[in-house]
Amino acid sequence: QSMLTQPPSVSGTPGQRVTVSCSGGSSNIGRDIVSWYQQLPGTAPKLLISGDNQRPSGVPDRFSGSKSGTSASLAISGLQSEDDADYYCGTWDGSLNGWVFGGGTKLTVL
Amino acid sequence: QVQLQQSGPGLVKPSQTLSLTCAISGDSVSSNNAAWNWIRQSPSRGLEWLGRTYYRSKWYNGYAVSVKSRIIINPDTSKNQFSLQLNSVTPEDTAVYYCTRTSDGANDYWGQGTLVTVSS
Repeated sequence: QSMLTQPPSVSGTPGQRVTVSCSGGSSNIGRDIVSWYQQLPGTAPKLLISGDNQRPSGVPDRFSGSKSGTSASLAISGLQSEDDADYYCGTWDGSLNGWVFGGGTKLTVL
Repeated sequence: QVQLQQSGPGLVKPSQTLSLTCAISGDSVSSNNAAWNWIRQSPSRGLEWLGRTYYRSKWYNGYAVSVKSRIIINPDTSKNQFSLQLNSVTPEDTAVYYCTRTSDGANDYWGQGTLVTVSS
């Protein structure tokens, strides 16, 4: 069972805006920065958002992150077919002294 | 550009030891600004952090409680790589194993992944 809670799936049509939520607690999201990862089928996860809301070089500005209290969100605007993938949130847990991840959200672009 | 290249067997027998290596290019395993992790992924457990090694004037390790009694992560400065040993494996250890670099609070580089199957 994952320490961070994400919806199993979300969907949208091209051009739409979708959000993926990530819920945690005071020992993880509430005390440390959140990162988001995109995983295409058969490949390793790729860093999408770091430091709650920072885009690494090369990540389109259609992707944005936010955090409030013990929850975080990933927003994808101007949805494109290539965004069809699994998305994971992750952060350090100070009680477990280790990384924790969400169970992943499958984004389907209809 | 940092690259992580994983190597190791894809099939391990129950009760034996799983061993994987992650070769680093574009950074140093001894970097004072990075940590080096092993993470695995399976349908039943999702993404699961196993442990890390990092250097801050001396070497430190940290392991997940779930595997702490049977895991060793070692740096190899002569080859600029780090390794994973997981002892006494069972079919529940079947997963895709990834090595990663953590920098500035995010896992910014990942290895290509190795599917390890535990079966006789």
